[in-house]
Amino acid sequence: EAQVTQNPRYLITVTGKKLTVTCSQNMNHEYMSWYRQDPGLGLRQIYYSMNVEVTDKGDVPEGYKVSRKEKRNFPLILESPSPNQTSLYFCASSLLGGALYGYTFGSGTRLTVV
Amino acid sequence: SQQGEEDPQALSIQEGENATMNCSYKTSINNLQWYRQNSGRGLVHLILIRSNEREKHSGRLRVTLDTSKKSSSLLITASRAADTASYFCATDGWGTGGFKTIFGAGTRLFVKA
Repeated sequence: EAQVTQNPRYLITVTGKKLTVTCSQNMNHEYMSWYRQDPGLGLRQIYYSMNVEVTDKGDVPEGYKVSRKEKRNFPLILESPSPNQTSLYFCASSLLGGALYGYTFGSGTRLTVV
Repeated sequence: SQQGEEDPQALSIQEGENATMNCSYKTSINNLQWYRQNSGRGLVHLILIRSNEREKHSGRLRVTLDTSKKSSSLLITASRAADTASYFCATDGWGTGGFKTIFGAGTRLFVKA
């Protein structure tokens, strides 16, 4: 089944403890992206990647890192999480930057930083 | 501020009625997409309309795009209780900051059985 898989689904962590949220897609998509969703704000783009080894900042990149060493994986790294990063995170992928068929989203990761 | 802004923020209708949601955006776009989200779950792509298209249909969905007004509307005909969800528009385009995909804050649709 074609899908985007995020892990974990839920995560509670403490301020300052580094964490990684994984994202993997099995559709050979070139484009991958991370978003955070907060009440009343919709989805805001954190980072995106047009292809392997090519990443770029979205609208809210501060406090996050990403890497794209292989096409299928696009992990989101929080080096030193803070409570304002408590949010619902989504990974998405697309054949070519959404220009053809839209994005396929993962099921989300609900992160709480205490 | 958000590029894509949906209107209304919330909509409550009876089953069988039509639901119309609107989206406005600010910059040039390659395309505009509509997504559906059920209660905190992943977004599901509904329909994409390119900047050179004016109207598109998919089943009970009808999307229009007016690039002169920088707006789009999503019409769901003969709504069902299962259509209850949040609906988001998203725009893709190149700007000074690079390639951007921008989502609106969404319209919450409630369809009463």
